[in-house]
Amino acid sequence: DSGVTQTPKHLITATGQRVTLRCSPRSGDLSVYWYQQSLDQGLQFLIHYYNGEERAKGNILERFSAQQFPDLHSELNLSSLELGDSALYFCASSLGTLNGELFFGEGSRLTVL
Amino acid sequence: EDKVVQSPLSLVVHEGDTVTLNCSYEVTNFRSLLWYKQEKKAPTFLFMLTSSGIEKKSGRLSSILDKKELFSILNITATQTGDSAVYLCAVGGNTGKLIFGQGTTLQVKP
Repeated sequence: DSGVTQTPKHLITATGQRVTLRCSPRSGDLSVYWYQQSLDQGLQFLIHYYNGEERAKGNILERFSAQQFPDLHSELNLSSLELGDSALYFCASSLGTLNGELFFGEGSRLTVL
Repeated sequence: EDKVVQSPLSLVVHEGDTVTLNCSYEVTNFRSLLWYKQEKKAPTFLFMLTSSGIEKKSGRLSSILDKKELFSILNITATQTGDSAVYLCAVGGNTGKLIFGQGTTLQVKP
């Protein structure tokens, strides 16, 4: 158990809908990273938050947004969902921003029908 | 643009073999390179290599970092079926991004 909690574990929804994925980092970790893992691809970096502030953005679609709250949990919002958004979404946390060890949650599997 | 390329993409060996996995990278202001193992679900951490730690070893696994040539290798000796997994390499600079390669799928046959 990495100490990173993601909910929900599984989610099935329809095209055009909006979903929110939630992540609670390990106790004491200030950084939260979000990654998307599709069937044929590796881990695609989406976004990194540190202590409530956006630190870096990857190839995150405009339909996607994220935030980190004062209690350090983070949410990833996916809207106007398309079939291609079906993937495993991972959250990972680390203590700081200096690219130290990331601890991954078990992921949220999103299926868009 | 930051880039991490792993090779080979897949590998099949027999128990007892030694394997070498490769990771080459281009990243702005390199800070660290990390290796992860992914089985069914979440990646689990193996090693981190930085400017101050360019060689790491843990049991049958070892890794080196060549900062001049911008690559790293992960060696696994005396492979076991439990080593079957996807091995991921990730590289971070000072931009706050940690970019992963596409992974190497290792299958160890009995």
